[in-house]
Amino acid sequence: NAGVTQTPKFRVLKTGQSMTLLCAQDMNHEYMYWYRQDPGMGLRLIHYSVGEGTTAKGEVPDGYNVSRLKKQNFLLGLESAAPSQTSVYFCASSLTGTGGSRRWNEQYFGPGTRLTVT
Amino acid sequence: AQSVSQHNHHVILSEAASLELGCNYSYGGTVNLFWYVQYPGQHLQLLLKYFSGDPLVKGIKGFEAEFIKSKFSFNLRKPSVQWSDTAEYFCAVNAPHRGSTLGRLYFGRGTQLTVWP
Repeated sequence: NAGVTQTPKFRVLKTGQSMTLLCAQDMNHEYMYWYRQDPGMGLRLIHYSVGEGTTAKGEVPDGYNVSRLKKQNFLLGLESAAPSQTSVYFCASSLTGTGGSRRWNEQYFGPGTRLTVT
Repeated sequence: AQSVSQHNHHVILSEAASLELGCNYSYGGTVNLFWYVQYPGQHLQLLLKYFSGDPLVKGIKGFEAEFIKSKFSFNLRKPSVQWSDTAEYFCAVNAPHRGSTLGRLYFGRGTQLTVWP
């Protein structure tokens, strides 16, 4: 049981380039999330998904797109990278949201992707 | 939007000192509360969580936290820190998001703990 995995671990992009970050989870979780972590800012939610085929905007969605074609995968895309997107990106998953038993809201995090845009 | 405040940005302690990290949140309804720890170069790991019941929660590695509803607080404590506790600590609150059933996590900005041997 690998939990939540992310690829790649590191990436350097030039301004204007595009890339896709892949998140995979093997826990059969319904909910998946993408966060970015910047010094002194904590983690901020970029986009999230409450199930296969559905996505929604979080707190800082501009400049990113996501797709959830399969339940176990959640992709984060940068169409035209900017230096402001230099950050560490974390994917997370949880069994449910607040519906049903909220006890299952615990989120499990991946190891992160360190992205530098020059 | 909900907010989570961690009052200490950087705490420096000697080994065996006691630790208390403050966390306050703004949501007035029922919440789930978490403390995550991030060791250098690693991903976030759950330290402890509160859903309901006893407001004093015990977590891994000797950490505990107390939920005080009237103060909207969930402070993290450890009686005697070790060098290996050097890490960044994040408080997080799970609350409804935009009226939906999604319970998203709102994170504090983190507290860097440095423990000197």
